[in-house]
Amino acid sequence: EDQVTQSPEALRLQEGESSSLNCSYTVSGLRGLFWYRQDPGKGPEFLFTLYSAGEEKEKERLKATLTKKESFLHITAPKPEDSATYLCAVQAYAGGTSYGKLTFGQGTILTVHP
Amino acid sequence: GAGVSQTPSNKVTEKGKYVELRCDPISGHTALYWYRQSLGQGPEFLIYFQGTGAADDSGLPNDRFFAVRPEGSVSTLKIQRTERGDSAVYLCASSRGGISETQYFGPGTRLLVL
Repeated sequence: EDQVTQSPEALRLQEGESSSLNCSYTVSGLRGLFWYRQDPGKGPEFLFTLYSAGEEKEKERLKATLTKKESFLHITAPKPEDSATYLCAVQAYAGGTSYGKLTFGQGTILTVHP
Repeated sequence: GAGVSQTPSNKVTEKGKYVELRCDPISGHTALYWYRQSLGQGPEFLIYFQGTGAADDSGLPNDRFFAVRPEGSVSTLKIQRTERGDSAVYLCASSRGGISETQYFGPGTRLLVL
């Protein structure tokens, strides 16, 4: 069974204090790893997709990286508006069949104080 | 263009009642997904449609839950004999069609069963 574990559960940073969020995964075959941002009362907002170990993607203050067992979301010089829950999800690929569903972790709640 | 829309945004019902939740995907998206998110957890997969047919309904928790997509666009999630444990946010997502395409989420329907 596919599993995704995110750590820490919650992270409090001062504005400008860089840090990283971790996503560890177990999947039969990785089709893709997805990062989403979710604000309170809203649906998840897509950030990145990573497909293979060694791949990196960047967007503003965020950079996502991928290894064979985990992904990191690096936040450089965060601002208060980066406060949100960050969700990691995997999409599996096994035995020649691709599975459309995403398996999510529980999320990391990020709070950035001014 | 418009994103994924879901109605109603909030639904309060009594235990034992029947409810319908509606999802309007992004125009032209052939794949549609339903997820359920409990407080403090990541979204949990329920069902995936490719066109009009359910390609994967392995996440539906029991036979009280049913979903349709008769014309390959709008989808309705139907819950019979609601239970208090069904209270959650029900999220809908759509993608252009390929399984590894990015899934874009709607704002969700918050269901409360009293």
